[in-house]
Amino acid sequence: DAKTTQPPSMDCAEGRAANLPCNHSTISGNEYVYWYRQIHSQGPQYIIHGLKNNETNEMASLIITEDRKSSTLILPHATLRDTAVYYCIVRATYNNNDMRFGAGTRLTVKP
Amino acid sequence: DAGITQSPRHKVTETGTPVTLRCHQTENHRYMYWYRQDPGHGLRLIHYSYGVKDTDKGEVSDGYSVSRSKTEDFLLTLESATSSQTSVYFCAINRDRVDEQYFGPGTRLTVT
Repeated sequence: DAKTTQPPSMDCAEGRAANLPCNHSTISGNEYVYWYRQIHSQGPQYIIHGLKNNETNEMASLIITEDRKSSTLILPHATLRDTAVYYCIVRATYNNNDMRFGAGTRLTVKP
Repeated sequence: DAGITQSPRHKVTETGTPVTLRCHQTENHRYMYWYRQDPGHGLRLIHYSYGVKDTDKGEVSDGYSVSRSKTEDFLLTLESATSSQTSVYFCAINRDRVDEQYFGPGTRLTVT
């Protein structure tokens, strides 16, 4: 699976959009981009995933560049409860082995 | 929470004792996983299962064994616990049709 690069930490003001970047320049054509988050001491929580089209659900939007070498997770109106570590993972869906979690980005939402 | 529970949620044990952690799911998914999470290492796969009695090793399987005698339960056993196995253990299932992994609440294990 391709490796990902994320900034170690970011801050965001409450009520503003949080834009979390991820670089995955070695992504293969059959690999999806997944985003998870982990709120302190809890199990990782699935947020969203996509292949090449932008995706949106009730939690977030995922923007993938046309060359698929990077993506951005957008939390449109961040709240204090969105403070967490956010993980960007690339994985081929035929590979049911595991999700390879890196260090992630620690997002702090401030009042 | 995808119907995943883990037990116990917290355990303190002594070096050399056997320990079994249980993961239970209510949705009959085929794939189940055990991860451990340590500071500085993120989550690492220990073992996974792709069906009843079908299991395979992950990245950090040494010192661990697993069993899956029925679809809903995936057991992780530390045959002889060591201090290096002090960690938080997460179970996960893969929701087959949507290919998303969902994680349990975790078990915090301390080996003294």
